[in-house]
Amino acid sequence: GGIITQTPKFLIGQEGQKLTLKCQQNFNHDTMYWYRQDSGKGLRLIYYSITENDLQKGDLSEGYDASREKKSSFSLTVTSAQKNEMAVFLCASSIGVYAEQFFGPGTRLTVL
Amino acid sequence: GQQVQQSPASLVLQEGENAELQCNFSTSLNSMQWFYQRPEGSLVSLFYNPSGTKQSGRLTSTTVIKERRSSLHISSSQITDSGTYLCAMERNTGANTGKLTFGHGTILRVHP
Repeated sequence: GGIITQTPKFLIGQEGQKLTLKCQQNFNHDTMYWYRQDSGKGLRLIYYSITENDLQKGDLSEGYDASREKKSSFSLTVTSAQKNEMAVFLCASSIGVYAEQFFGPGTRLTVL
Repeated sequence: GQQVQQSPASLVLQEGENAELQCNFSTSLNSMQWFYQRPEGSLVSLFYNPSGTKQSGRLTSTTVIKERRSSLHISSSQITDSGTYLCAMERNTGANTGKLTFGHGTILRVHP
């Protein structure tokens, strides 16, 4: 078994601020993902990383940067927070592509 | 249009009743996954189910890839089953991504 940790659990920022969300997994999984969930909507993929040193844009990458610092960690940066970005950000990992994905507990972002 | 259609959008049951949740996909898929989202937001993987039927306790998932559909059956529902059930598919695009496309979810409420 393993666990995915996301920090912080709650993030409050000011409009225009640069904000970073962190994700760590100890599954030893190769592939990691960042999703965003808006109220009443399904999750949408922001960025993913198939292996260490890889970075791929998802459907919602504009306004975000990501960094796969090492195999176990994947960070997401909101480059300039906007009020319509208030959402829950979920990190996931899988042993590889075409494999079951496991999710972290999420970071809830509020922009004032 | 929406690529992953979930039905019903919401469901209210009396404890002990059964539930059938449906997921239909508008494109061909490699695999799909069912998740349970707790009220506080964390996602739990229920089934990774490329094809066929899988059972875990009171939950049964049946996926027919050719017909682009999957169902989740909950038998003898309990109050603790309340929450949101999400299905997601991995599209068959020929590209090696592992990207999941999610439905909007079914909100289940089980009353005593």
